[in-house]
Amino acid sequence: EVQLVQSGAEVKKPGATVKISCKVSGYTFTDYYMHWVQQAPGKGLEWMGLVDPEDGETIYAEKFQGRVTITADTSTDTAYMELSSLRSEDTAVYYCATGVAAAGPEWFDPWGQGTLVTVSS
Amino acid sequence: EIVLTQSPDFQSVTPKEKVTITCRASQSIGSSLHWYQQKPDQSPKLLIKYASQSISGVPSRFSGSGSGTDFTLTINSLEAEDAAAYYCHQSSSLPSFGQGTKLEIK
Repeated sequence: EVQLVQSGAEVKKPGATVKISCKVSGYTFTDYYMHWVQQAPGKGLEWMGLVDPEDGETIYAEKFQGRVTITADTSTDTAYMELSSLRSEDTAVYYCATGVAAAGPEWFDPWGQGTLVTVSS
Repeated sequence: EIVLTQSPDFQSVTPKEKVTITCRASQSIGSSLHWYQQKPDQSPKLLIKYASQSISGVPSRFSGSGSGTDFTLTINSLEAEDAAAYYCHQSSSLPSFGQGTKLEIK
C-alpha cells in the first residue's frame, strides 16, 4: 500500500523555524517528485514547492522563496519541509503529496495526512 | 503563473441532483487539469486526472470534461457522502489550484 506518513502537530513562536517530515512507503521514493501544499484554516490549497528525491533538485513557489527549504533523504525514504521566519499567517495544515505522471504533467496522489502548524506567541 | 477560477464558490444541493462545477484557467493548459475532493478534516483525494480520465475506486457518478481553458466536474445523482470541498489543479506549469467549491447537501 502506498502511504505518506507525516510528523505530528507543531506549535511555534513567531520568528521560529519548523521542519516537517513525510515518510514514504509502498513505492520507490526516487521515482516521483514530492510536493508540499499549504492550507490555512478554512482556506484553499496553495502549492509551496517540490523536490526531486533522485538528485535533490528543488523548485519553490515565489510566495515562499527564501523561507522554505524542501529536502529528501533517500536513506530513510523521507522528505522534509522547513519553513523559517514563521508568522501568524503561516498557521496552517501542511501536506506532502506525491507527483505522479505516466509521462508529462503530474497529478498528486497520494497525499499525507497533514501536519498542523500553529504559530502563536 | 496560471490562475484557476472555480465556480460556484458554494452550492447547496439535494441528494440525487446533478451537480456541475467549472474551472477556468487564465491561459490554455491543454488537458493538464485534475480534480480533488476534500472532506472535512481529511486530506484531498484524487477524483479525475487529465481533465477526463477516471480513477480506480472513484464512483462512476464523478466525471470530468474540457480542455484548453474551460473544464467541468460533473457529479451525477449526488449522494450525501459527496458533501465536501472540490478543487481543480493544473500542472501545465508550476502547480496551482482553484479556490475551491464547497458542496453542502440539503
